[in-house]
Amino acid sequence: QVTLKESGPGILQPSQTLSLTCTFSGFSLSTYGMGVGWIRQPSGKGLEWLANIWWDDDKYYNPSLKNRLTISKDTSNNQAFLKITNVDTADTATYYCARSYGPYVMDAWGQGASVTVSS
Amino acid sequence: DVVLTQTPSTLSATIGQSVSISCRSSQSLLDSAGNTYLYWYLQRPGQSPQLLIYLVSNLGSGVPNRFSGSGSGTDFTLKISGVEAEDLGVYYCMQATHAPLTFGSGTKLEIK
Repeated sequence: QVTLKESGPGILQPSQTLSLTCTFSGFSLSTYGMGVGWIRQPSGKGLEWLANIWWDDDKYYNPSLKNRLTISKDTSNNQAFLKITNVDTADTATYYCARSYGPYVMDAWGQGASVTVSS
Repeated sequence: DVVLTQTPSTLSATIGQSVSISCRSSQSLLDSAGNTYLYWYLQRPGQSPQLLIYLVSNLGSGVPNRFSGSGSGTDFTLKISGVEAEDLGVYYCMQATHAPLTFGSGTKLEIK
């Protein structure tokens, strides 16, 4: 059974760096073709893809967030990470991680982590 | 970025009714290798999105066969043949042919 769970700070202030962790089980990021993606959703709005990391450490980012995103992984501990620098209120959203394969078939999602940016 | 336009934005259906949702892309989603990376997701109220259809017409694992996907190029359709109460929620199409990956704005299915 594939499961994923996001964790984050909950609340942070503008200009800070948001650090999110995705802890997963049921698959390995060392397996050929596997990846983890990050997607966010402001309350009541649609989905926005942020980044993906793959088994071979290839990384892809949404250019709309320019150079603010960094995705990484810890294969031995079954975790993936996302950092967003210089956050502002527009980054307030629920952040999801999802397993990706073959390519971008996101077939399992975490429950989401709510993040609020407020001064 | 590729814009995916979903219609209608809201859909009201009775149990057992068949409905269709359209997803139109601002660019062809057929890549040079002949693949079309178009997916459909359902987000039930208060839940995470779940995969329904991948690569235009392939049913996700455990997805009931009342769901089907079709289309090519820039025009795609999700059909539900016999809506059930558990189908309520917001349906999103997503493309991964062109970077960055983008989602449609969603179609909300309500049950009458």
